[in-house]
Amino acid sequence: NAGVTQTPKFQVLKTGQSMTLQCAQDMNHEYMSWYRQDPGMGLRLIHYSVGAGITDQGEVPNGYNVSRSTTEDFPLRLLSAAPSQTSVYFCASSYSRGGLAGSSYNEQFFGPGTRLTVL
Amino acid sequence: EDKVVQSPLSLVVHEGDTVTLNCSYEVTNFRSLLWYKQEKKAPTFLFMLTSSGIEKKSGRLSSILDKKELFSILNITATQTGDSAIYLCAVEKWYSGYALNFGKGTSLLVTP
Repeated sequence: NAGVTQTPKFQVLKTGQSMTLQCAQDMNHEYMSWYRQDPGMGLRLIHYSVGAGITDQGEVPNGYNVSRSTTEDFPLRLLSAAPSQTSVYFCASSYSRGGLAGSSYNEQFFGPGTRLTVL
Repeated sequence: EDKVVQSPLSLVVHEGDTVTLNCSYEVTNFRSLLWYKQEKKAPTFLFMLTSSGIEKKSGRLSSILDKKELFSILNITATQTGDSAIYLCAVEKWYSGYALNFGKGTSLLVTP
């Protein structure tokens, strides 16, 4: 298994450009999420998905779009890049622990990250 | 508003020392608390704690949760330079589909 893969590893954008950060996992995990990590800020949740066709906003969703057309892929789109989006982006996935109503997910497996700079 | 607070934010120790990292939290619908280790790459999972007073242990690392006082500690004994990393605490909530609230992390540097 490749686990969670992210591309590209590094990216430099100019303000106003758009781009898509790719994330894929081959573990058949239902849950996938995107975080950004800024110095001294820990990880902050951008968007997440509990399964194909289902997405929801996290703590810092503005300026980002996601879609989940397959179980394996969860791309993150920057619509019009801004310097405030300069960050390291991590994709993560995990399995469901029970499937019962109200159950949740844990042991997220993280991708290697994408370091994005917006000039 | 949910809060996850880690202390100290940074720490420098000598090899062989024992360190204790702290994580306090205030969240609604608490489900579990997780610890991750992050070196110069993606976070890697260490422990998940759901019940008070039950110590989780892995080698020189151990962790325990106090759900009454709303905190957890991560202990590292006989530290080695390879323990140098950022240690992240995260809290998982029930009924949120999924949401992990991370603290800002503790940066640990172990010197020879």
